[in-house]
Amino acid sequence: AQRVTQPEKLLSVFKGAPVELKCNYSYSGSPELFWYVQYSRQRLQLLLRHISRESIKGFTADLNKGETSFHLKKPFAQEEDSAMYYCALSGLGSSNTGKLIFGQGTTLQVKP
Amino acid sequence: ETGVTQSPTHLIKTRGQQVTLRCSSQSGHNTVSWYQQALGQGPQFIFQYYREEENGRGNFPPRFSGLQFPNYSSELNVNALELDDSALYLCASSSGRSQETQYFGPGTRLLVL
Repeated sequence: AQRVTQPEKLLSVFKGAPVELKCNYSYSGSPELFWYVQYSRQRLQLLLRHISRESIKGFTADLNKGETSFHLKKPFAQEEDSAMYYCALSGLGSSNTGKLIFGQGTTLQVKP
Repeated sequence: ETGVTQSPTHLIKTRGQQVTLRCSSQSGHNTVSWYQQALGQGPQFIFQYYREEENGRGNFPPRFSGLQFPNYSSELNVNALELDDSALYLCASSSGRSQETQYFGPGTRLLVL
């Protein structure tokens, strides 16, 4: 079964603390993994994707195929990072629709 | 560059009615995907349209149907509305049907009474 699990509904940290948002997936083929973010009153937007290997706003994510994880990390949280974060996967291959399978989301709250 | 737009922003319907939601894709994009996001949940894939043809469907009943027009805008139609159809409906566009990044619209919030 194709599934994305984000075990934490809410993660609360102080400004300057490290952040790790967990994401585990279940997929039989070779997935492409994404992190999407939704800031207050804004639309869902791409934060980063595995294939591009970029660091966006100080966030990074490493795909661990052995542990089927794609955790999102940032060494020093900022108050403006407070948002809802969704991990998502899309399968690779010519038969794939490119549909995104989302986790339930984690709310990150960065306290001053 | 114009982003993805959706209309209406919100609406209220009663059980058994029909609803049509609209989406304009981002300039240069030929693929539109629709998602349903219930309160407190992540978005769930409904279906995708690529160059005016359905290109994949999620686990939704046939009363959820769609269209894509030659300008790549799209409609989502839901017949015989049920209370559980109350949700935020998101449209996303991309430049291809597979792994390209999907860009989301602001959503249409539907309440079924």
